[in-house]
Amino acid sequence: EAQLVESGGGWVQPGGSLRLSCAASGFPFNNYAMTWVRQAAGKGLEWVSEISGSSGTLYYADSVDGRFTISRDNSKNMLYLQMNGLRVDDTAVYYCAKVPNYYESNRLTFDIWGQGTMVTVSS
Amino acid sequence: IVLPQSPVTLSLSPGERATLSCRASQSVGFTSLAWYQQKSGQAPRLLIYGASTRATGVPDRFSASGSGTDFTLSISRLEPEDFAVYYCQQYRSSPKMYTFGQGTKLEI
Repeated sequence: EAQLVESGGGWVQPGGSLRLSCAASGFPFNNYAMTWVRQAAGKGLEWVSEISGSSGTLYYADSVDGRFTISRDNSKNMLYLQMNGLRVDDTAVYYCAKVPNYYESNRLTFDIWGQGTMVTVSS
Repeated sequence: IVLPQSPVTLSLSPGERATLSCRASQSVGFTSLAWYQQKSGQAPRLLIYGASTRATGVPDRFSASGSGTDFTLSISRLEPEDFAVYYCQQYRSSPKMYTFGQGTKLEI
């Protein structure tokens, strides 16, 4: 069974840094793009970033571009999100999710989600 | 692309039919529209992809349709476990971006 487990969330002051991790299991991790989606308390979902299976292409939402860096280690089945220059409005639950391949019928969606890790940015 | 959903809150009883709407500000390719269900305290779950295809394990009381700018998610006979927040999501290729609607809360 495909599973994603996030970790690394916590409290940080504005301007600080945090690194989130996502451990994948139950599917061929290196074959799939992966993404981060966040959700502020009581709010909707916001796509943050995506990385291809080979790490060859990276994408970011405008709200985090230049501050966040997505990466992965296929040898460890791990996805990461390095967050620098954190702001109060980055406070949210951060989910990692699997992106189906372009040839799959459910492409352009997020078909497997982790349980999320909470990031709080506050002074 | 903006994806306003309506209504913001929908109050219904078990056994009733629910109809949720997602209207895009620009035309969306049908392959690019998905629906997710999020129960309180849980991660979202993919319900519908390609505007109308149920994801694996989704009961057939869930159906969806639409094209262009207007999309609809219907639940034929509400079960207690269906009360949740529902989000539509679209994909844009250039620049690459995924956008979610603000959600519809389906409450008892």
